[in-house]
Amino acid sequence: QSVLTQPPSASGTPGQRVTISCSGSSSNIGSNYVYWYQHLPGTAPKLLIFRNNERPSGVPDRFSGSKSGTSASLAISGLRSEDEADYYCASWDDSLSGWVFGGGTKLTVL
Amino acid sequence: QVQLQQSGPGLVKPSQTLSLTCAISGDSVSTNNAAWNWIRQSPSRGLEWLGRIYYRSKWYNDYAVSVKSRITINPDTSKNRFSLQLNSVTPEDTAVYYCVRAMDTDRFDYWGQGTLVTVSS
Repeated sequence: QSVLTQPPSASGTPGQRVTISCSGSSSNIGSNYVYWYQHLPGTAPKLLIFRNNERPSGVPDRFSGSKSGTSASLAISGLRSEDEADYYCASWDDSLSGWVFGGGTKLTVL
Repeated sequence: QVQLQQSGPGLVKPSQTLSLTCAISGDSVSTNNAAWNWIRQSPSRGLEWLGRIYYRSKWYNDYAVSVKSRITINPDTSKNRFSLQLNSVTPEDTAVYYCVRAMDTDRFDYWGQGTLVTVSS
């Protein structure tokens, strides 16, 4: 059971906009930044969003993040087939004194 | 460009110790601007942070509650690398293990190639 809660799956058609939610508590998302990672099978996870809504260089602006209270979301606009992957949210947890992840959301591009 | 190169056995027997090493190039294990982490991924548990070390005039470490009694992460400044030891492993420790840099003790920005470790007799 992951500390952060994500839907196990999401889907969309090419060109659509999809959002993936991440729910936590006051000890993690409520008081710390949220990060999003994209994980393609057989590769290392890739940083997509840091500090709630910042994109590393090289990440397309189709990816955006937001946070409100103890929840966060990742939005992907102009969906492409190469976006099919697992997406994880993460945050520091003050009570656990460690990083916590969501269980991951498998995105399918139909 | 930072690169992390992992090494270590892919098969460990139950009750024994899992040991992995991560060699760093393009940065220093003793930098004041990053932390060095171990994260694992399995189909049943997803991504799981195991622990980190970082240097801020002295060495610090943090470990996940789930493995705190079994884990040690050590720096090796002479070889610019860091290591993971996980004791008393069980089949539940079977996973792909990654060494990861956290820039500004913050975002996980550089990852090793991953090592599949299977715990089996």
